[in-house]
Amino acid sequence: GDSVTQMEGPVTLSEEAFLTINCTYTATGYPSLFWYVQYPGEGLQLLLKATKADDKGSNKGFEATYRKETTSFHLEKGSVQVSDSAVYFCALSTGNFNKFYFGSGTKLNVKP
Amino acid sequence: GAVVSQHPSWVICKSGTSVKIECRSLDFQATTMFWYRQFPKQSLMLMATSNEGSKATYEQGVEKDKFLINHASLTLSTLTVTSAHPEDSSFYICSAKGTASQPQHFGDGTRLSIL
Repeated sequence: GDSVTQMEGPVTLSEEAFLTINCTYTATGYPSLFWYVQYPGEGLQLLLKATKADDKGSNKGFEATYRKETTSFHLEKGSVQVSDSAVYFCALSTGNFNKFYFGSGTKLNVKP
Repeated sequence: GAVVSQHPSWVICKSGTSVKIECRSLDFQATTMFWYRQFPKQSLMLMATSNEGSKATYEQGVEKDKFLINHASLTLSTLTVTSAHPEDSSFYICSAKGTASQPQHFGDGTRLSIL
């Protein structure tokens, strides 16, 4: 079945460090891929998405490229800030009703 | 942008009671709504998919009689946890979407604590 695997956390970085959170997926058909961010006590916010192979999603300095050959959608940011501290979820969506499958989430802690 | 509102945001109740959680789409008509459950430090697990005016489709392992879902209008879906017990304590999140081409929008979640 469809599934998403992402690197376990927590990831602890210093401010202005480079961030990579790995995400790989398994899917039948051609899914859309997403990164969501969840701040403490809140719901999910869409960070970025890509709907087909080789698409690059980007937002707020974060970016991820849909790699069909490696079934990956790794999240990157060149210089993280303390305000980026949150839990990041990789997800895929497929089917007529866009059923979502989420990865386990990666907690990011950015220290000043 | 599109907003999905969940109510209540936090509820504490005694074991054996039933709890209703509302999910509303505020500025669009949600033809499909989804209910997720999130255990502490874990990912979201899809519980069920509901389409307006029809019965919800539950994921494998989710008890239909335990988690009653109603999607009576294009702007409101409700999840009722019947005869709640401590093991039902969790963070419940809904999402809603309009047409097939539109993305899902997530609510802020409801933290349910059963004593």
